[in-house]
Amino acid sequence: GAGVSQSPRYKVAKRGQDVALRCDPISGHVSLFWYQQALGQGPEFLTYFQNEAQLDKSGLPSDRFFAERPEGSVSTLKIQRTQQEDSAVYLCASSLTGQGNYGYTFGSGTRLTVV
Amino acid sequence: GENVEQHPSTLSVQEGDSAVIKCTYSDSASNYFPWYKQELGKRPQLIIDIRSNVGEKKDQRIAVTLNKTAKHFSLHITETQPEDSAVYFCAALGANNLFFGTGTRLTVIP
Repeated sequence: GAGVSQSPRYKVAKRGQDVALRCDPISGHVSLFWYQQALGQGPEFLTYFQNEAQLDKSGLPSDRFFAERPEGSVSTLKIQRTQQEDSAVYLCASSLTGQGNYGYTFGSGTRLTVV
Repeated sequence: GENVEQHPSTLSVQEGDSAVIKCTYSDSASNYFPWYKQELGKRPQLIIDIRSNVGEKKDQRIAVTLNKTAKHFSLHITETQPEDSAVYFCAALGANNLFFGTGTRLTVIP
């Protein structure tokens, strides 16, 4: 597609509920990144894929967070047993190269609110 | 890993004046430094970037300077307009991914 598409745009989850956030990157983009953006803060790195391989997941805050990109295109970020501190905007970005040094194109994000 | 610091956190300027936002980074191996503009409720959008082989890059009213020795880079916006009002983020490329500053909320007063 023309841009990075994320769904849903908004998600309200009850504490303890599992959620799945979807990212559809720009076609042909090798790299895919997930970031977490708390209110008033900069994006914080969560995880990075190069094609289908998850090369870095050092930013995932706990083992409740899991991401996959099984066919090297669409990616899903799953959060199990959501907690209030998980409330944030989750941004997906893709980049043409494997080095990320041609800039990211971000999606519009999913705003997750845990109540 | 990389650590990026950004200041000021808020900046108000009169329309037509210039605005400068400064960032420092910690990893001397970083070689790519983009700037993003984020309007309220919208996605961050790349506005300009610079690689370590140049010291300055300009695109119309926007310019970025890089001092690799001091490990700092700056965004300069001249002849500011109300539509420049937004949050601006600097970033530096680490081993695999971009590390972002905490953002500067720029308000251009008409």
